[in-house]
Amino acid sequence: ETGVTQSPTHLIKTRGQQVTLRCSSQSGHNTVSWYQQALGQGPQFIFQYYREEENGRGNFPPRFSGLQFPNYSSELNVNALELDDSALYLCASSFPGLAGVDEQFFGPGTRLTVL
Amino acid sequence: KNEVEQSPQNLTAQEGEFITINCSYSVGISALHWLQQHPGGGIVSLFMLSSGKKKHGRLIATINIQEKHSSLHITASHPRDSAVYICAPRTSGTYKYIFGTGTRLKVLA
Repeated sequence: ETGVTQSPTHLIKTRGQQVTLRCSSQSGHNTVSWYQQALGQGPQFIFQYYREEENGRGNFPPRFSGLQFPNYSSELNVNALELDDSALYLCASSFPGLAGVDEQFFGPGTRLTVL
Repeated sequence: KNEVEQSPQNLTAQEGEFITINCSYSVGISALHWLQQHPGGGIVSLFMLSSGKKKHGRLIATINIQEKHSSLHITASHPRDSAVYICAPRTSGTYKYIFGTGTRLKVLA
């Protein structure tokens, strides 16, 4: 059983560019959540995908978008990058249980720097 | 006021000490994660609980849903426990987690 993986590990972009971050969920998990963690802060929920549909969204503008594929891997796309988008981007996969209580398993994160 | 408050924000302890980290939240929740984050950024789930108490090795987590409070205890602390500990409740009726800013723990040998 493989854990959650993310790529790339690090990324440097300039303002105005677009970026795509990737996440492979843990085997058997059909739900992926994306988080943004600025330096010294706790993670902030961006959105969640369940069976290829967006299942909830935090307070992020539309230039943050995502996809989930039939194999449950996921992408986070950010358009028109701003300096404040510099952060660690974490994805977490889970499988909602019968009680609706799902433990999240986190990937190692992608550190994005916007210059 | 933040929806999730953790205390203390920073904690330095001597090896072997008993440590308690507290988490209070203001929203209705269905469950709560305790997470550990090391300096490299990777996050490890320590506990997922919705009631009562769980124990794993030297770690104990408790939650009181009515009082909107959870605690993480570390017995016989060790320098390798040095990390940021984050409380993350899941809001009721959603799969959305909200995160505290974390407690930075340093255990000295």
